[in-house]
Amino acid sequence: DAKTTQPPSMDCAEGRAANLPCNHSTISGNEYVYWYRQIHSQGPQYIIHGLKNNETNEMASLIITEDRKSSTLILPHATLRDTAVYYCIVRAPGPWAGNNRKLIWGLGTSLAVNP
Amino acid sequence: DTGVSQDPRHKITKRGQNVTFRCDPISEHNRLYWYRQTLGQGPEFLTYFQNEAQLEKSRLLSDRFSAERPKGSFSTLEIQRTEQGDSAMYLCASSPGQGGTDTQYFGPGTRLTVL
Repeated sequence: DAKTTQPPSMDCAEGRAANLPCNHSTISGNEYVYWYRQIHSQGPQYIIHGLKNNETNEMASLIITEDRKSSTLILPHATLRDTAVYYCIVRAPGPWAGNNRKLIWGLGTSLAVNP
Repeated sequence: DTGVSQDPRHKITKRGQNVTFRCDPISEHNRLYWYRQTLGQGPEFLTYFQNEAQLEKSRLLSDRFSAERPKGSFSTLEIQRTEQGDSAMYLCASSPGQGGTDTQYFGPGTRLTVL
């Protein structure tokens, strides 16, 4: 079972910030938070990941609470092309974490960016 | 870096036929993964390879399914005696397999329709 919970759907106006929440209250100390998105009928696209510090890249920002039990993905200026299903996943790091290599996916949040 | 590629992108077959899909990972990525995704669900892990060794298989991978990665580069996923329940998007991902957080990058997927 997925170790994260996300709202099933959200709406955002084009040009505004989209803030997508994720709850991962059972996260372990060495588990990272990953975000992917999937535009209709395409393969998942990696967005960002983090451990405990906030992270930013050219696509998004990731804010992780101090207790690490939840996080928020921020798309600072949403466009119509950001309409997609966004998945939050927790996973142990690196290739040495035993056999736990697979990503366990929930249902994600379907984000609709409206003009 | 041309990304993960998959072939074919779409496959329509009749029940009982065999099908084979190919995945070419990102160059020099040691790990390769197969996932399956049905409509409205997140991807489900099927199997993964470290170089040419198949290290983990999901219970979803029945005896009709076989995956290979003979030279540690591209991989094939074969489904024998297809059933209508096999209709899904088959996703391939690859990761460096050494150091860091071993982020998985996905291909565009192969959509299988079994009539």
